[in-house]
Amino acid sequence: DAGITQSPRYKITETGRQVTLMCHQTWSHSYMFWYRQDLGHGLRLIYYSAAADITDKGEVPDGYVVSRSKTENFPLTLESATRSQTSVYFCASSGGLKGGAQEQYFGPGTRLTVT
Amino acid sequence: AQSVTQPDIHITVSEGASLELRCNYSYGATPYLFWYVQSPGQGLQLLLKYFSGDTLVQGIKGFEAEFKRSQSSFNLRKPSVHWSDAAEYFCAVGSSSGGYQKVTFGIGTKLQVIP
Repeated sequence: DAGITQSPRYKITETGRQVTLMCHQTWSHSYMFWYRQDLGHGLRLIYYSAAADITDKGEVPDGYVVSRSKTENFPLTLESATRSQTSVYFCASSGGLKGGAQEQYFGPGTRLTVT
Repeated sequence: AQSVTQPDIHITVSEGASLELRCNYSYGATPYLFWYVQSPGQGLQLLLKYFSGDTLVQGIKGFEAEFKRSQSSFNLRKPSVHWSDAAEYFCAVGSSSGGYQKVTFGIGTKLQVIP
């Protein structure tokens, strides 16, 4: 009954370290998304996935890697964290079965600080 | 390319007063339009959406929005604001191209409610 969850909720890491943010949804939604939210920029799409093993870049993909081996999970990895990646990260999912843009359901977010 | 403009970054209203949050979009065809709300420390929650049909749509928490094609607008309204409505509001426009749901968010309007 959890819907969509993200872990960790808060993370502090050092420049150059690898960090993985987890996202899990229980609705079997086909689409999943990763956004970052920064003051003055709203939400910007990092990567999205239309189904398991299908991923594609969004607006700001540089420095990030995603995978989706299972429908319910969509981890986001920062391969070598930089201070510019300090942000709040949101995962979202969407059914997308009827065609056309569907509403997205958002997780609670992960606040990441890179020192 | 689709885009969304929320001209008001910050709005303050008195409790009990009416509210209108502005949203203008740019998209070549009939858009899919959304309003989301984000309470502090939370993810985004869908307030309402417009795909087609009646241009006045009702949402949760007493909100409504009106689609005006001639003005490329989708303004959010509430007749009487409650203190619990203090939050950040995001307008979004969506499209479907080749099966990919592209949703573009505005930068948000932060609503402050004063007694």
